[in-house]
Amino acid sequence: DIVMTQSPDSLAVSLGERATINCKSSQSVLYSSDNKNYLAWYQQKPGQPPKLFVYWASTRESGVPDRFSGSGSGTDFTLTISTLQAEDVAVYYCQQYYRTPLTFGGGTKVEIK
Amino acid sequence: EVQLVQSGGGLVQPGGSLRLSCTASGFIFSSYWMTWVRQTPGKGLEWVANIKEDGSEKYYVDSVKGRFTISRDNAKNSLFLQLNSLRAEDMTVYFCARGRGAFDAWGQGTMVTVSS
Repeated sequence: DIVMTQSPDSLAVSLGERATINCKSSQSVLYSSDNKNYLAWYQQKPGQPPKLFVYWASTRESGVPDRFSGSGSGTDFTLTISTLQAEDVAVYYCQQYYRTPLTFGGGTKVEIK
Repeated sequence: EVQLVQSGGGLVQPGGSLRLSCTASGFIFSSYWMTWVRQTPGKGLEWVANIKEDGSEKYYVDSVKGRFTISRDNAKNSLFLQLNSLRAEDMTVYFCARGRGAFDAWGQGTMVTVSS
């Protein structure tokens, strides 16, 4: 199975500052035939299901604010919130869909400092 | 508006069975792979199973193979998860989700409690 490791477990950032979440996969999730990274990011708030924010490692889902950006390739990925807003407080998960079983990272909790 | 509304779940004894349902609206259900994901405080998010648009392919995480069965009824825009031989470690919240890879729509979640 592909193991997804996120860091840090939690992150406290001042409003308007940058938040950076890292995700590392135990194997590459870059598919050579289409040159796509099979990596997604989700935001989850308490009592709600996860919400897709980024797919193909860097494509923002419709409606997601452009302060969110995904980057990386192969085994190392990053979700960046350029200027943290109060509504961004949540847990963020990465997930690989390169092969089954699809696997998720352990989550990173983002809070306001 | 894309919606996935879940039902089923509840309390069941160890070794018992339960059926979860997920009814879709707002999109052409028969055109999408569908997936079940579960979430526990300790293990986080875990992919459970998925099913192809026409039901011809199904895949499961090893821990539920032989005990859980995913199915769908495209005429009724519905997805199902039959949970048999339930164990304490199956006790958690189950979500249905649209898609095979990145899941762009989720149900509200349903709790399965396994206890005697």
